[in-house]
Amino acid sequence: AQSVTQLDSHVSVSEGTPVLLRCNYSSSYSPSLFWYVQHPNKGLQLLLKYTSAATLVKGINGFEAEFKKSETSFHLTKPSAHMSDAAEYFCVVSLAGSSYKLIFGSGTRLLVRP
Amino acid sequence: EAQVTQNPRYLITVTGKKLTVTCSQNMNHEYMSWYRQDPGLGLRQIYYSMNVEVTDKGDVPEGYKVSRKEKRNFPLILESPSPNQTSLYFCASSYGAKNIQYFGAGTRLSVL
Repeated sequence: AQSVTQLDSHVSVSEGTPVLLRCNYSSSYSPSLFWYVQHPNKGLQLLLKYTSAATLVKGINGFEAEFKKSETSFHLTKPSAHMSDAAEYFCVVSLAGSSYKLIFGSGTRLLVRP
Repeated sequence: EAQVTQNPRYLITVTGKKLTVTCSQNMNHEYMSWYRQDPGLGLRQIYYSMNVEVTDKGDVPEGYKVSRKEKRNFPLILESPSPNQTSLYFCASSYGAKNIQYFGAGTRLSVL
């Protein structure tokens, strides 16, 4: 069965320090992978996506993620956290083949301390 | 402006009283879907539609119905709501499941 696991429900960092949000997936097929961000009381917004091109994907607001097939991981990073990065982040997998389902991770809430 | 519009944004209802949450997109997207968001569970897909008159169940379809009579609209119908359907609901659209999903602002539903 296909699944997405976000390894941390909460991550707390100080402003200006690096951010690492971890995501592992399980898929029998070549997946498309996404990171979405949800600010309080807002809908979800795409940060970046991987669709079998370059394994290092750059997104908006300085975020990037690296697809590692051997580790089945797609971790999200940012070199320097900003207060405005405080939000909930979702790792999402879309399956190749005929399935049109999207599978969301349970989310990681990022807290940024001043 | 490209957008996905959900209505209403907030709804309080009672058990068993039929309700519909509307979703409309102005981007000519083929793919539309409904999700519910519950604490600690992320978003779970309820139903999706690949095009007009083509719909399929997601992971948690029980208690919900959808229809796709027009490309732009994808209403979510709760025929007999129950308290376990209290949740935050999102509609999304895209050119395909592997493409960027555009989300509505959400509908917060409380079933008493």
